[in-house]
Amino acid sequence: DTEVTQTPKHLVMGMTNKKSLKCEQHMGHRAMYWYKQKAKKPPELMFVYSYEKLSINESVPSRFSPECPNSSLLNLHLHALQPEDSALYLCASSQWGITDTQYFGPGTRLTVL
Amino acid sequence: AQSVSQHNHHVILSEAASLELGCNYSYGGTVNLFWYVQYPGQHLQLLLKYFSGDPLVKGIKGFEAEFIKSKFSFNLRKPSVQWSDTAEYFCAVNALNNNDMRFGAGTRLTVKP
Repeated sequence: DTEVTQTPKHLVMGMTNKKSLKCEQHMGHRAMYWYKQKAKKPPELMFVYSYEKLSINESVPSRFSPECPNSSLLNLHLHALQPEDSALYLCASSQWGITDTQYFGPGTRLTVL
Repeated sequence: AQSVSQHNHHVILSEAASLELGCNYSYGGTVNLFWYVQYPGQHLQLLLKYFSGDPLVKGIKGFEAEFIKSKFSFNLRKPSVQWSDTAEYFCAVNALNNNDMRFGAGTRLTVKP
């Protein structure tokens, strides 16, 4: 199984809402990532978890809060987002770390009204 | 900070034509280099990667890339493209010992049957 799953596929939320994005992998990978991809732009790395510990935070605003409950799950909690946060949010995982092949999920298309 | 440039935004080829997509990066140290591909409606997936050794790297589906350190380049090639190669191609760079991954802007390849 080389699949990374993400839920929901689409999410529309208001600026005062709180929502969460979920990501799951069952490949035994120990590194997981959140990327943000705006239309016609490349993916931008937001967070890296390695062995369930946050190892990098790319100066992402605090309205995005990652969580890694266990080695298979990765959440991204959203609160008080802005319309400019509308984007495709991609989750990825790799065997050990960032130099390994990353397996990407299909993404969650987020729209902030 | 490292950056990645892909100068070709959209390339249109006929089947059987040869392909070369440019990728240049700006980082003076040792790097790990990747090409990812996104076929229409599918996830990002790895085409090939270079860490060390032979600078000519072979990937899936007949693709190859050559690392030229003196030119800070990692161009992707395929001798004869097929209609099924129509996709978005992303070059990515990871600086060694740096927990970061930077993607280029992507090149959209359209292969006409």
